[in-house]
Amino acid sequence: NAGVTQTPKFQVLKTGQSMTLQCAQDMNHNSMYWYRQDPGMGLRLIYYSASEGTTDKGEVPNGYNVSRLNKREFSLRLESAAPSQTSVYFCASSARQGGTQYFGPGTRLTVL
Amino acid sequence: AQTVTQSQPEMSVQEAETVTLSCTYDTSESDYYLFWYKQPPSRQMILVIRQEAYKQQNATENRFSVNFQKAAKSFSLKISDSQLGDAAMYFCAYRSAGTGTASKLTFGTGTRLQVTL
Repeated sequence: NAGVTQTPKFQVLKTGQSMTLQCAQDMNHNSMYWYRQDPGMGLRLIYYSASEGTTDKGEVPNGYNVSRLNKREFSLRLESAAPSQTSVYFCASSARQGGTQYFGPGTRLTVL
Repeated sequence: AQTVTQSQPEMSVQEAETVTLSCTYDTSESDYYLFWYKQPPSRQMILVIRQEAYKQQNATENRFSVNFQKAAKSFSLKISDSQLGDAAMYFCAYRSAGTGTASKLTFGTGTRLQVTL
């Protein structure tokens, strides 16, 4: 039982490049979330998926897209990376909307 | 919008001693949840303790306990018998009892806890 896993752990991109961050959970949770963590700002919600087949914008969605591929997997895509997207990205899941959220280990992304 | 404030950027405690981390929040809602998460150098966000606003009894989890003052909108974390492994960044977080974007966690800016010998 790995909980929430994220790949990759580290990534360096050049401005304008695209990439997809992968997240998977093996806890049979319905809801999944993507947050970003910036220095001195705590974590902020980018997108979330209340259940398989649904996605909604969070607090800071601009520049990102998501896909809830199936119940287990929720990916975050940067179509054209910008230096402002340099951050640590966390995926989380909960059994239901409003349930306790459990986090993955994070991905440190640097955009040059 | 809800806000969470952690006014102590850094705290230090000696091993085996007790330390209290402060958190205040602002909300107009009556039903919500509060959390403390621990983030060690590994970067993993680990749930420490959770409190439901409708419960008057303070939550406890082994050496971790909270002092929840609903009227004052205060939610402090007490760590007893501090251990070296407690050294980490601690985040206070708020979540509405609602659904949709209301189910998101709102985090404070964190308190870095050092544990000394």
